[in-house]
Amino acid sequence: DPKIIQKPKYLVAVTGSEKILICEQYLGHNAMYWYRQSAKKPLEFMFSYSYQKLMDNQTASSRFQPQSSKKNHLDLQITALKPDDSATYFCASSQDGQGLSGNTLYFGEGSRLIVV
Amino acid sequence: GDQVEQSPSALSLHEGTGSALRCNFTTTMRAVQWFRKNSRGSLINLFYLASGTKENGRLKSAFDSKERYSTLHIRDAQLEDSGTYFCAAALYAQGLTFGLGTRVSVFP
Repeated sequence: DPKIIQKPKYLVAVTGSEKILICEQYLGHNAMYWYRQSAKKPLEFMFSYSYQKLMDNQTASSRFQPQSSKKNHLDLQITALKPDDSATYFCASSQDGQGLSGNTLYFGEGSRLIVV
Repeated sequence: GDQVEQSPSALSLHEGTGSALRCNFTTTMRAVQWFRKNSRGSLINLFYLASGTKENGRLKSAFDSKERYSTLHIRDAQLEDSGTYFCAAALYAQGLTFGLGTRVSVFP
């Protein structure tokens, strides 16, 4: 059974709209992350959270906002969607922050977003 | 520019044979992690290395931070080893930097 649940698996959105990608992890981890993979590009780090606090943000656009209501949740809100936002968004977690101890990273199955 | 260069981009293997995948880094990385993407699109952990080598079954990985590379060796390849393999290195304080992947196809 997957221990990191991402919803939805697939999503088609209209340009200019707003969507939220859900992520829950049941590994008891303290750190959670979002990564993005666009066509023909490597997986790119976006955000990291540790104990529900933002640790690192490598995303230039403020249209991407993580939301952590519980320690095992890290949702990603995307506003004013653009076609270039089309990608598969992966949630991940690790026991502690990568910067602290380099813990192994575990990934969810991804949410594929298509913006038309 | 690209910080993690993964090669080859694709690899075909007959069952029972072996080969090596490689990642070169343009700067000194703190650690490397290897993954395989399964048929459901999930990234499955294979190895985490801060230095040296690790072995797990028919897979073996090495990481040399000073020489800026990591390798993943597959021996006695089986059909279930097919998939896309990714290396990812720790450069930023929190995030991993990924390579583009190596698509491995194992044939009977």
